Amino acid sequence: TQLLEQSPQFLSIQEGENLTVYCNSSSVFSSLQWYRQEPGEGPVLLVTVVTGGEVKKLKRLTFQFGDARKDSSLHITAAQPGDTGLYLCAGLYNFNKFYFGSGTKLNVKP
Amino acid sequence: ETGVTQTPRHLVMGMTNKKSLKCEQHLGHNAMYWYKQSAKKPLELMFVYNFKEQTENNSVPSRFSPECPNSSHLFLHLHTLQPEDSALYLCASSQTTSGGQETQYFGPGTRLLVL
Repeated sequence: TQLLEQSPQFLSIQEGENLTVYCNSSSVFSSLQWYRQEPGEGPVLLVTVVTGGEVKKLKRLTFQFGDARKDSSLHITAAQPGDTGLYLCAGLYNFNKFYFGSGTKLNVKP
Repeated sequence: ETGVTQTPRHLVMGMTNKKSLKCEQHLGHNAMYWYKQSAKKPLELMFVYNFKEQTENNSVPSRFSPECPNSSHLFLHLHTLQPEDSALYLCASSQTTSGGQETQYFGPGTRLLVL
């Protein structure tokens, strides 16, 4: 069983649409990170959220950490083709080890 | 060179071969990691080194053997691999392994195919 479940697994949308990606667990995490990975590259960190209920914004991306620190969401407004990639969440468990979700593959069509 | 580099970028090997993956970080970090990324599966942490000492072995089969000669270099020695070991192997580094808001910087990975 996976510690972190991401949904949806795949998402194909038109440029300009909004979307939300979810990262859920039954476990409490010390912090949670979101990464984007492009083909042929390693994951690149987008944001780290630490406090329950925390909301962080990065241009058109909004990240939220659940109040109980068990889940997180990533919302993209007015998606652009440059947003295409694999989005990964990673939760820090027991201040010790990061567990990754299996990712959401996003394709934004022009 | 900047960031985290990995060589080779692609590797095809037979089950009886011995090969090594190399990772080098130019960030002055003290912790380095090996991850395995398979299709449709989460990124799996394999090994963690902090100040050249192995601090984590995530039940990895002995056919994978890591080596960390200094804080800037990390190797993964491969021998008698199985086809199911085919995957993208990612190296990462961070300042330390203190956790919390520690940022890991990933290399581009080595795409391994075992025939």
